[in-house]
Amino acid sequence: RKEVEQDPGPFNVPEGATVAFNCTYSNSASQSFFWYRQDCRKEPKLLMSVYSSGNEDGRFTAQLNRASQYISLLIRDSKLSDSATYLCVVPEGPSYNTDKLIFGTGTRLQVFP
Amino acid sequence: DAGITQSPRYKITETGRQVTLMCHQTWSHSYMFWYRQDLGHGLRLIYYSAAADITDKGEVPDGYVVSRSKTENFPLTLESATRSQTSVYFCASSETTGGWEQYFGPGTRLTVT
Repeated sequence: RKEVEQDPGPFNVPEGATVAFNCTYSNSASQSFFWYRQDCRKEPKLLMSVYSSGNEDGRFTAQLNRASQYISLLIRDSKLSDSATYLCVVPEGPSYNTDKLIFGTGTRLQVFP
Repeated sequence: DAGITQSPRYKITETGRQVTLMCHQTWSHSYMFWYRQDLGHGLRLIYYSAAADITDKGEVPDGYVVSRSKTENFPLTLESATRSQTSVYFCASSETTGGWEQYFGPGTRLTVT
């Protein structure tokens, strides 16, 4: 099993739609998780952190299911500007005691008018 | 402006040549990282550094050399470039451990002919 696995997409959705991405991870010791956003030909930037069961920030909700070892990202009321690649990121071990992040290959979202 | 910068932004070099990619950050972050990003692989860690004069290998270190004599600089050298090293290279930094938020530079697009 890959350390971090994502559906590459693309997910093509109309403006206003709700879309969800899932990510599975293999390291059960990981305690915090991240979603990064990467625009075309740009650097990744942190979108959300998830430390417990979930986190919500405006139209974005991240949820964590430790038992099944997956993280999800829900985007409500999609905007054209949400078009990007979303990277699921998991620390290699416990966040307080690890030097490294493991990046998924990303899920591409395209929002159309 | 404060932040993390990379130079050059674009580089074309020939097989066998030595090339150095520069990374500079103004936050005094302890941790710095070098990643490469290729289609189908996502971000892969090449080398990282926990502090000045402390470096360690990541997932794909072969063919690369790093140094960190000053906290703010973390150059990456390709000793003898190969075509397989054609990629986009991102430098990143993190305030505390590498398991928390990482801030990325704009990237260097390297083509080896």
